[in-house]
Amino acid sequence: AQKVTQAQTEISVVEKEDVTLDCVYETRDTTYYLFWYKQPPSGELVFLIRRNSFDEQNEISGRYSWNFQKSTSSFNFTITASQVVDSAVYFCALRSGGATNKLIFGTGTLLAVQP
Amino acid sequence: GAVVSQHPSWVICKSGTSVKIECRSLDFQATTMFWYRQFPKQSLMLMATSNEGSKATYEQGVEKDKFLINHASLTLSTLTVTSAHPEDSSFYICSAALHSSYNEQFFGPGTRLTVL
Repeated sequence: AQKVTQAQTEISVVEKEDVTLDCVYETRDTTYYLFWYKQPPSGELVFLIRRNSFDEQNEISGRYSWNFQKSTSSFNFTITASQVVDSAVYFCALRSGGATNKLIFGTGTLLAVQP
Repeated sequence: GAVVSQHPSWVICKSGTSVKIECRSLDFQATTMFWYRQFPKQSLMLMATSNEGSKATYEQGVEKDKFLINHASLTLSTLTVTSAHPEDSSFYICSAALHSSYNEQFFGPGTRLTVL
């Protein structure tokens, strides 16, 4: 069975703090894809990153960075120097590399960045 | 590119009425479209997968006679909530992909349904 766990329901930080959002996944597939999406209060999902199971290199994009570790089945997301505009719900998602394109979402982490 | 629109963005209806939600891929042809439902402060749950020209595949627990999905063209899929009840009030999000197995899903902005 496939599963995505985001243990942190809510996180509150003060602006300029760094924050890490955890994501742990379960899958029996050898080929799979991991995603992070941002959902601001407007509701529209914003794609942040996709990582396939064969690429464990960490990635940095501006203030965002991702740490993919297959050994611990984790795909954590760090925001450096957080800003109020980062306030949103963040979802981690898993997709099988097989025939189906089905996305399995975690329960999301609500990030509140206080000014 | 890869823009997906939904209409309406929000709708309020009376209990017992039917509501149709449209999902359009504006700048690409979507072989596959997905419908999700998101209750307040909860995650997105896949309701069904629809391929153009064929019947939708529903997830376990989703009533196909209540949530009618039509994917008649490569740019349009519709979700009709029949005989809506207050418990159907939710945020409905569609996504579209070029092909079922490989390409990314691009998400629409969502439709907020409130059933009185």
